[in-house]
Amino acid sequence: KAGVTQTPRYLIKTRGQQVTLSCSPISGHRSVSWYQQTPGQGLQFLFEYFSETQRNKGNFPGRFSGRQFSNSRSEMNVSTLELGDSALYLCASSLGGTDGLDTQYFGPGTRLTVL
Amino acid sequence: AQSVTQLGSHVSVSEGALVLLRCNYSSSVPPYLFWYVQYPNQGLQLLLKYTSAATLVKGINGFEAEFKKSETSFHLTKPSAHMSDAAEYFCAVSDRGGNKLVFGAGTILRVKS
Repeated sequence: KAGVTQTPRYLIKTRGQQVTLSCSPISGHRSVSWYQQTPGQGLQFLFEYFSETQRNKGNFPGRFSGRQFSNSRSEMNVSTLELGDSALYLCASSLGGTDGLDTQYFGPGTRLTVL
Repeated sequence: AQSVTQLGSHVSVSEGALVLLRCNYSSSVPPYLFWYVQYPNQGLQLLLKYTSAATLVKGINGFEAEFKKSETSFHLTKPSAHMSDAAEYFCAVSDRGGNKLVFGAGTILRVKS
């Protein structure tokens, strides 16, 4: 079974621009979560989508948004980029249970650099 | 709120030596705990998870972890380190109300030949 795929793998943008990252989950997985990884803040949860609805949200500004399509693929958008948005953005997919037992499978990440 | 603390941002061991990576959790309810490994320029790979079925959990690549409620710990161990174990290791706790992981700061494991 194919793993979680993320595109693009690397991205360079300038301040003020916007960016869209894409994530394709493992076949049969209905939940997609997004995490931001930076050297200073570590791994932080952005949001989770399940059945095209945002089910959980972390403490990030409204510039960070996402959506999920009917085939469970997900996109994450960051508008008005800031230097501090430079990070590795990780997508994780799971079956979608809410009891905390689900294993999340991570993609390789998208490395975003904001200049 | 649930949280995890990883003691030691860097751990260095010799090849063949015991690996011990420390993780303590804070949770108002019995937690679900995970250990993930991240190799350079890659995503996270699950090593093992604790789901309350057994306190000693065996994972992939020879790793295991023991859940100790009295010590609020979930330390990761491996009897004999290999060079290929060099990576960053993350302990995480799952939010029982949803599908969100809260990660520790990570521990970089260095294996010396």
